[in-house]
Amino acid sequence: SYELTQPPSVSVSPGQTASITCSGDKLGHKYACWYQQKPGQSPVLVISQDTKRPSGIPERFSGSTSGNTATLTINGTQAMDEADYYCQAWDSSTVVFGGGTKLTVL
Amino acid sequence: QVQLQESGPGLVKPSQTLSLTCTVSGGSISSGSYYWSWIRQPAGKGLEWIGRIYTSGSTNYNPSLKSRVTISVDTSKNQFSLKLTSVTAADTAVYYCARGVPTVVNWFDPWGQGTLVTVSS
Repeated sequence: SYELTQPPSVSVSPGQTASITCSGDKLGHKYACWYQQKPGQSPVLVISQDTKRPSGIPERFSGSTSGNTATLTINGTQAMDEADYYCQAWDSSTVVFGGGTKLTVL
Repeated sequence: QVQLQESGPGLVKPSQTLSLTCTVSGGSISSGSYYWSWIRQPAGKGLEWIGRIYTSGSTNYNPSLKSRVTISVDTSKNQFSLKLTSVTAADTAVYYCARGVPTVVNWFDPWGQGTLVTVSS
């Protein structure tokens, strides 16, 4: 079965740039999206198709892809961005989620 | 704006069937080319896709759960439902319903608030 691999945790200082990666076989030939989930809340879509940002999502969130890796970048990270982030892709008629990355802003 | 709300028993006994319903408000479940999904999350763990249904009735399920899962839709009630049979403690999780956008990546937006289902005798 298809797998997406994320680092368990990433730390960033306020105002700095946070990068969260998501790796999968031939991910560059698919598309990835990203969700933010804060404690006790439902996931929220922050990047919908590799690079597209849904309305209402701050411009500091961006997505990119290169080779087998998709990356979520948060420029000028704020304390409110501390959350779990999940990547997701579609493979063989199945939705696949990455294991999630806990972003700590400290 | 479309909103989703899960409902159903919060406690299910082992070996029994877990049944949940998702009510869609703010729009018709039949409008647009969306599909409707169930996703779960055990406490402290990641997200697991369970399956999806189109209003035509067409379904796709996670292969790891396929033998135990049935997703159905009732367009007259603007609802879709999940049944998971022969549950064990491993099925204890927060269950989310979500609207899916059928694109190359099939993202989910929006999600329901989630409902905790505990499997215990």
